[in-house]
Amino acid sequence: ETGVTQTPRHLVMGMTNKKSLKCEQHLGHNAMYWYKQSAKKPLELMFVYNFKEQTENNSVPSRFSPECPNSSHLFLHLHTLQPEDSALYLCASSQHQMNTGELFFGEGSRLTVL
Amino acid sequence: AQKVTQAQTEISVVEKEDVTLDCVYETRDTTYYLFWYKQPPSGELVFLIRRNSFDEQNEISGRYSWNFQKSTSSFNFTITASQVVDSAVYFCALSAMRTGANNLFFGTGTRLTVIP
Repeated sequence: ETGVTQTPRHLVMGMTNKKSLKCEQHLGHNAMYWYKQSAKKPLELMFVYNFKEQTENNSVPSRFSPECPNSSHLFLHLHTLQPEDSALYLCASSQHQMNTGELFFGEGSRLTVL
Repeated sequence: AQKVTQAQTEISVVEKEDVTLDCVYETRDTTYYLFWYKQPPSGELVFLIRRNSFDEQNEISGRYSWNFQKSTSSFNFTITASQVVDSAVYFCALSAMRTGANNLFFGTGTRLTVIP
């Protein structure tokens, strides 16, 4: 398996549920990212991990909790979300945070919050 | 602060027509990078090109070409002889060396539909 894999591809949850999004990269990269893609808005960078350390938190509400246990895996734990959190969540990886700007993206997890 | 504007929300062209996607950026940094990414219906963004602020040479790659003009803060993307497979959402993005080349600021995207 190659590239960046995200699971689940689709998720529907209530506002009181707790769920997690998973991202796995098979590229040997050291940096991983979470982006949020909402309709008619630019992609928003949420979190960056470089060599397993969080280096960016773009003022994301605490109901989103990232976890990076190793350079190949990234999770986004979700709890008590709001309907406006419904979006496509994209995971990406790169060699490391400061290099070329070429990010490799997964196909995204489409989240619907009821 | 960095900002990328893609004024064209949606464009439709007939196959074999040429099409240009516009991108205008704002930054106070003197060293920065510009990118184009393609998002096909499957969802994953695919890297197409990176230019750095020192290099204003235009680039051509097959049917794709890019026109970088610092004087107008623009980085436009032209597809020549469009094909149905070019149908996708295209994003222009900007990053600054100062804050990390991989911290990309994206525009809102242009949805291109190529009609057979």
